[in-house]
Amino acid sequence: SQTIHQWPATLVQPVGSPLSLECTVEGTSNPNLYWYRQAAGRGLQLLFYSIGIGQISSEVPQNLSASRPQDRQFILSSKKLLLSDSGFYLCAWSALTSVLYNEQFFGPGTRLTVL
Amino acid sequence: DQQVKQNSPSLSVQEGRISILNCDYTNSMFDYFLWYKKYPAEGPTFLISISSIKDKNEDGRFTVFLNKSAKHLSLHIVPSQPGDSAVYFCAASATTGTASKLTFGTGTRLQVTL
Repeated sequence: SQTIHQWPATLVQPVGSPLSLECTVEGTSNPNLYWYRQAAGRGLQLLFYSIGIGQISSEVPQNLSASRPQDRQFILSSKKLLLSDSGFYLCAWSALTSVLYNEQFFGPGTRLTVL
Repeated sequence: DQQVKQNSPSLSVQEGRISILNCDYTNSMFDYFLWYKKYPAEGPTFLISISSIKDKNEDGRFTVFLNKSAKHLSLHIVPSQPGDSAVYFCAASATTGTASKLTFGTGTRLQVTL
């Protein structure tokens, strides 16, 4: 069965510090990978998605970047965090082609607080 | 522009009764709809989905209804149980390319009381 991991679970960082959040998926190959953010009292906003190694699409302009160095690894980064980067970050995967194409499966999330 | 809307931020239902969560969308290109359940500090869990070629999909206690002409879908939970208390997100996607990009609503917090 497929499993998705995210770490760290929680993170408190000062403004201006760098960020690296990691997501890995097990039990599947060539997944589509996604990064979402849920700000306080808001829905889930798609930040980035990737259909393959090195292929990143950005959905909204922001202070963040994403990379996919391996098939099942997705990294969210920032060089300098802003207060507005605080939120709950979620990684998700979906099958590239199958009846599950539209269904995304989420990791446990990372709670980021920027002070 | 909020393309997927959940206009009720919260809903309280007695145990054993029916819970009805509603969702409206504006983008006519959406052709697949999903419901997710989310507990605090956890990732959303996929519940049930429906393709635009159907108007109903049922899975155990959960049924999703789709009214394409009204651009409206709803999730029915019967009977409601205390463990159903969570935030429910409606999501929609338009099948383009190779990535299923989901657009989420802002969620409805369901509380099932004893």
